[in-house]
Amino acid sequence: QVQLVESGGGVVQPGRSLRLSCAASGFTFSSYGMHWVRQAPGKGLEWVAVIWYDGSRKNVVDSVKGRFTISRDNSKNTLSLQMNSLRAEDTAVYYCARVKGTATGQIDYWGQGTLVTVSS
Amino acid sequence: QLVLTQSPSASASLGASVKLTCSLSSGHSDYAIAWHQQQPEKGPRYLMKVNSDGSHSKGDGIPDRLSGSSSGAERYLTISSLQSEDEADYYCQTWGTDIQVFGGGTKLTVL
Repeated sequence: QVQLVESGGGVVQPGRSLRLSCAASGFTFSSYGMHWVRQAPGKGLEWVAVIWYDGSRKNVVDSVKGRFTISRDNSKNTLSLQMNSLRAEDTAVYYCARVKGTATGQIDYWGQGTLVTVSS
Repeated sequence: QLVLTQSPSASASLGASVKLTCSLSSGHSDYAIAWHQQQPEKGPRYLMKVNSDGSHSKGDGIPDRLSGSSSGAERYLTISSLQSEDEADYYCQTWGTDIQVFGGGTKLTVL
């Protein structure tokens, strides 16, 4: 069955960096677009980043442009999110999510999430 | 601008039915959306995709008492025979070129 397992979350000081990973299994990872979605404490879901099935196209939400980078390694079935210059407002649970398609479309599977806390 | 609007809260009695609404912004009435459920302290779960013509396709293991429909720019999720485990937050989601958009979510209380 489809499994998405995030890792890499933790407590980090403002201005520092963190790298999240998502290990995918149970499907042909290289055939699907992938996203990162976050949820601040007590808030709703916020889309963060997308990467096409082959890594040829990427996009991030304006609030993280220039700070966050999404990438994937199809040989290792792994999705990553490099987060630099972290701010308090980046504190959230980060979910990786699979799209039913090569890039865009409905999210059909979610990971369990990893908590990132940005605090001094 | 692609925006999804949801009512913040809804409630219905155990065993009754409830219809949740997701409204697409002007000019986007032909967009499909997806519904996701988030139970307390859990990650989201995909429920179904709802197309502009009202057809819908469910995710794995989603029971028949959940259904989707459409009218104009509105997309609906109907849950019948409400059970206690249906008490959750429900989010609608749509997509554009290289972006995803989420509604603000509806908190469903089962009385």
